[in-house]
Amino acid sequence: AQSVTQPDIHITVSEGASLELRCNYSYGATPYLFWYVQSPGQGLQLLLKYFSGDTLVQGIKGFEAEFKRSQSSFNLRKPSVHWSDAAEYFCAVGSYSGNTPLVFGKGTRLSVIA
Amino acid sequence: DTAVSQTPKYLVTQMGNDKSIKCEQNLGHDTMYWYKQDSKKFLKIMFSYNNKELIINETVPNRFSPKSPDKAHLNLHINSLELGDSAVYFCASFARGYTFGSGTRLTVV
Repeated sequence: AQSVTQPDIHITVSEGASLELRCNYSYGATPYLFWYVQSPGQGLQLLLKYFSGDTLVQGIKGFEAEFKRSQSSFNLRKPSVHWSDAAEYFCAVGSYSGNTPLVFGKGTRLSVIA
Repeated sequence: DTAVSQTPKYLVTQMGNDKSIKCEQNLGHDTMYWYKQDSKKFLKIMFSYNNKELIINETVPNRFSPKSPDKAHLNLHINSLELGDSAVYFCASFARGYTFGSGTRLTVV
């Protein structure tokens, strides 16, 4: 069965510092990978997605993620964090055909300090 | 023009009541889902529909009954609401990507 592990429940970084959020997945076929962000009381906003091609994917708000098949990982990065990036981040895996629903990790809460 | 819209956005109701949440997508997608986000923010699939047919029912209590009158709509009806049903419910649709609605925050008191 497919699964997603986000090992960090909560991360605190200083504004302007770099960020890396970890995501490992388990999926029996070619994974379709996603990162979403959720601000308090808000819905899910898609940051980026990956299915094939260049393994370094650029997303919105200056985020990028790197797919590493050998490590079953899809880590999210940002070179310089802004206070407005404080939110909950979810990694998810699904299928390109949509015949399986998205399976989400439990999320990583990002706090940003001055 | 919202791609996946849910109504209502907020719903406060008493235990034992029956309520419905509506979802509509204007993307022409065949596949639609309902997800539940609990108090710990965990997002879990509840139901998956493809072209009005139920594909996945993830061990959801029988009190929850999805209904898809046509391909563009997937409504969620909940009978005999319990305190534990309090959560945010997200509708989503799929075609080469998953598009989520903005969520319905259900509070059972």
